[in-house]
Amino acid sequence: DGGITQSPKYLFRKEGQNVTLSCEQNLNHDAMYWYRQDPGQGLRLIYYSQIVNDFQKGDIAEGYSVSREKKESFPLTVTSAQKNPTAFYLCASSMQREIGELFFGEGSRLTVL
Amino acid sequence: AQSVTQLDSQVPVFEEAPVELRCNYSSSVSVYLFWYVQYPNQGLQLLLKYLSGSTLVKGINGFEAEFNKSQTSFHLRKPSVHISDTAEYFCAVRRSFNKFYFGSGTKLNVKP
Repeated sequence: DGGITQSPKYLFRKEGQNVTLSCEQNLNHDAMYWYRQDPGQGLRLIYYSQIVNDFQKGDIAEGYSVSREKKESFPLTVTSAQKNPTAFYLCASSMQREIGELFFGEGSRLTVL
Repeated sequence: AQSVTQLDSQVPVFEEAPVELRCNYSSSVSVYLFWYVQYPNQGLQLLLKYLSGSTLVKGINGFEAEFNKSQTSFHLRKPSVHISDTAEYFCAVRRSFNKFYFGSGTKLNVKP
């Protein structure tokens, strides 16, 4: 079955540690996205990528980094510079050439202790 | 600028009653609209979408929404809700190929 796989589902880290969240898709989508979700704030865009080896900052990119070395993969690193990293992180993808919806992974919940 | 507004943060309703979740968007020449549902600790699942054509859109689980251009609204409705509909619902607009904007969400609480 086609879809988006995020891992890990739950992650605990100490302050000051970098963390990498994995996102893999087999939908053959060109565009991939990372969103952060906090209670009562909806979804906020961190980074997105339209093509391999290219990505753009979203609304809240500070303290995060990404890479897009393969079409299927778009990992997100939460760095120690992110002041409030505890959140639910959602990866998504979409078709580039057609107007359509976002497809989401199951999310990763990061808790920084 | 706020592209999508969901005025109701929480909507309580009794089982088998009808429900309407409101969504208003900022006016634009081209607009593509979506409703998603999210269950606790899960990703978002598409309920329905409006891309063009008929303004009444039917989705999964008995939900439907009506695109109203003059009122810039895309309200979600269900004639009779079930306990299993308890979840958070997000309205979203796509402005261009890669720009999606989400509302702040409405928590639907269906009571027995």
